[in-house]
Amino acid sequence: KAGVTQTPRYLIKTRGQQVTLSCSPISGHRSVSWYQQTPGQGLQFLFEYFSETQRNKGNFPGRFSGRQFSNSRSEMNVSTLELGDSALYLCASSPRAGLETQYFGPGTRLLVL
Amino acid sequence: GQQVMQIPQYQHVQEGEDFTTYCNSSTTLSNIQWYKQRPGGHPVFLIQLVKSGEVKKQKRLTFQFGEAKKNSSLHITATQTTDVGTYFCAGPGGGTSYGKLTFGQGTILTVHP
Repeated sequence: KAGVTQTPRYLIKTRGQQVTLSCSPISGHRSVSWYQQTPGQGLQFLFEYFSETQRNKGNFPGRFSGRQFSNSRSEMNVSTLELGDSALYLCASSPRAGLETQYFGPGTRLLVL
Repeated sequence: GQQVMQIPQYQHVQEGEDFTTYCNSSTTLSNIQWYKQRPGGHPVFLIQLVKSGEVKKQKRLTFQFGEAKKNSSLHITATQTTDVGTYFCAGPGGGTSYGKLTFGQGTILTVHP
């Protein structure tokens, strides 16, 4: 099976702009979670989607949002970008929702200037 | 909320030496997962421990779940340069983190040849 894919892999934006990241889960996986990874804060959970519904949300401002489509593909959006949003954004899929093993994609590295 | 703490934050070893990283939770965990992230890569699932006192081995890696299910350890025997990376533990969150995995800060392992 193909692994989790994320696009784009690298992105440079300026403050105030918005960005949309895309994630395609492993075939048959219905849960998609998003994480932000930074050197200072480590891996932080953003949100989880299952069957097009957000099941859980981490402690991030409302500028961070996401959605899941009927084919389980997911997108996350960050509006009004701040310098501190520079990070590696990782998508992970699993067959079921909740505390399942996370299969991570390669990530999107976002740099905000 | 529930926290998952890992120590040490960094570990430098000579090739052939052993390495251990410890994971501690403020609450009892139903299970714990371990992941490895190579430099420039993404986290990859290693193992899940479920039972109190459980010990699992993968070649030179030994994983242990504490009797009280509040701590875990990963021990690598005779490290090799291929072991370089960051090792994360992850456990089910409690409180506001209920229903999602909470990752430790990770231990960065450097192996000198």
